[in-house]
Parts: sequence; C-alpha cells; structure tokens
Amino acid sequence: EPEVTQTPSHQVTQMGQEVILRCVPISNHLYFYWYRQILGQKVEFLVSFYNNEISEKSEIFDDQFSVERPDGSNFTLKIRSTKLEDSAMYFCASSEGTGTGELFFGEGSRLTVL
Amino acid sequence: EDQVTQSPEALRLQEGESSSLNCSYTVSGLRGLFWYRQDPGKGPEFLFTLYSAGEEKEKERLKATLTKKESFLHITAPKPEDSATYLCAATVGAGNMLTFGGGTRLMVKP
Repeated sequence: EPEVTQTPSHQVTQMGQEVILRCVPISNHLYFYWYRQILGQKVEFLVSFYNNEISEKSEIFDDQFSVERPDGSNFTLKIRSTKLEDSAMYFCASSEGTGTGELFFGEGSRLTVL
Repeated sequence: EDQVTQSPEALRLQEGESSSLNCSYTVSGLRGLFWYRQDPGKGPEFLFTLYSAGEEKEKERLKATLTKKESFLHITAPKPEDSATYLCAATVGAGNMLTFGGGTRLMVKP
C-alpha cells in the first residue's frame, strides 16, 4: 500500500539552528501539507502546497518557515533559526484532491530544540 | 474563531461495551467534518468524511453521524484493537486546511 514517508524520524537541534524535514508524498497525489503537534496539544495546520506554490498557510507559518518541492518526489519543510517552542511532531500529508479531507499522513518527524 | 471540541478526553471501555464519542464544532460555514484515528507514535489515519446534517457513514464497528452542531462517532461492541486516539476535524473552505479537535483517547480492555 502506498504511504507517505518522512525523514528523519527524530531530530535534535540547538536553538538558532536551521532544520530541514523531508517527506516523500504518495506518487500520484497533487496536494501536499505540513501539520504539527506539540506534545499534549492539538494537531495544527501549517501549510498546503499545490502546483509548486503555497495554496494556504496558517498564522503559525511565518517567515521562519518555508516549503519546497526540490524534485519530483520530495517535499521539504525548512525551519530557520529554531526556537524552543518549535519542538513538536511534524506531520507531512498528501492527498489526490482538495476539499475531501482525506489526507494520508506520514508517521511524523519529532523535532527537539534544546 | 473556528473551534472543534471533543469529549470525553479519555474513555475506558470493556470489550463489547458500546459507546459514543462527541465532536462539537463552531465554525463559520462548515464544508466538511472528518474523523481520523491516531495510534501512538503514528500519523492520523483517515476514517470518514461527512458533509451535511443527517449524513451517516459506517466502517466495521464504527459509525459517524453529523448534526448542525456536532458529530458523533459510535463504536459498537469494541475490541482491544480499537484502542487509539480518535480525532475530529473540520474544514470551512475549498481546501484541506483541517481544524482538529483535541481528540478522545479510547482504551478498550479485554
């Protein structure tokens, strides 16, 4: 069964460093997303991406964050100058279409900022 | 502000003991209401989409229903493998920006 894969599964970084989280969405999907879940809190939307551009973003997704689809298979989330409060599980997701709510999530990348 | 609230936060059931999970929403112009299952250390797994009041969807021991203010996830004769966190989410626009509730952690004892 096709699945969304994410790397790394866990990353520890020092405050102020840059991190890149990587995702390989399901191959025939056209819409890509990043969500995050701070420990003990709700899953929160960060950004959606379609046709090589951001289609929606939340208030959380400020200039510290950026997304890119550098090639035909990878989808990345870059976090510049990490802060303690960026520690969370980051989930990548993909979908065939939009509006259906049927997203396929990866297993997540746990980011710990020290 | 769009809000999705789930109750209870945690629910312990004996195997075979049916129950319901609640998801109430206050969003301006609900487009869709979604249920996901999340196992520990994993990403959410899609279960159901509901679009209009009165709609019902079923899958094995799970049935999701929708009214104008809330949704219920009914679990009939649950088994230990149904233990997970069940998440409710809503969208208000054409996209897939899901607003999630806090989840209900279900534990089913054999």
